[in-house]
Amino acid sequence: GQNIDQPTEMTATEGAIVQINCTYQTSGFNGLFWYQQHAGEAPTFLSYNVLDGLEEKGRFSSFLSRSKGYSYLLLKELQMKDSASYLCAVRVSPSDSGNTPLVFGKGTRLSVIA
Amino acid sequence: DAGVIQSPRHEVTEMGQEVTLRCKPISGHDYLFWYRQTMMRGLELLIYFNNNVPIDDSGMPEDRFSAKMPNASFSTLKIQPSEPRDSAVYFCASRIAGGSYNEQFFGPGTRLTVL
Repeated sequence: GQNIDQPTEMTATEGAIVQINCTYQTSGFNGLFWYQQHAGEAPTFLSYNVLDGLEEKGRFSSFLSRSKGYSYLLLKELQMKDSASYLCAVRVSPSDSGNTPLVFGKGTRLSVIA
Repeated sequence: DAGVIQSPRHEVTEMGQEVTLRCKPISGHDYLFWYRQTMMRGLELLIYFNNNVPIDDSGMPEDRFSAKMPNASFSTLKIQPSEPRDSAVYFCASRIAGGSYNEQFFGPGTRLTVL
């Protein structure tokens, strides 16, 4: 089976830095995604990692270690609008086609407080 | 582009009734996915299509659920008969093969309540 684990909830202070971890055990791996989902809204794409290392995108960065089955999403200079759920998702594919669906973790609900 | 369109946005029905959810993917996208999201189970893939053909329906809970994609711009997810445990938010997503990240674009979802 496929297993993706993330913390259920986190709280952080406005202006601070927060790291949301994700570990996965899947039958295959062809990329890891992070999505942001505000309450009552659809998930929206944040980042993608397929090779080991850090991908930076403004205030958001995502890291991947394939050997450890581990990723994290780093949010800097937190703003109140960053309060949302953050979903880790793995493309489980034995090939490089990329044409397989994603398996999602249950998400981490982040609350940013003043 | 209007993005992925879903209707209705909210549906309240009684147990035993038939429910039909609709989705229009982004024009030009050749993959379409149906997901269900609950607090307990998170976001679960129900079925996905490639070029209107169902590829994997192993996530469909049982025979009460069925999905069709008669053409590239329309898909339906039907529940018949509906049960209270089907209450969830149902998302449709689409993507294009070979896109920059192959990311999926989600519709706004249909919040289904079965009484």
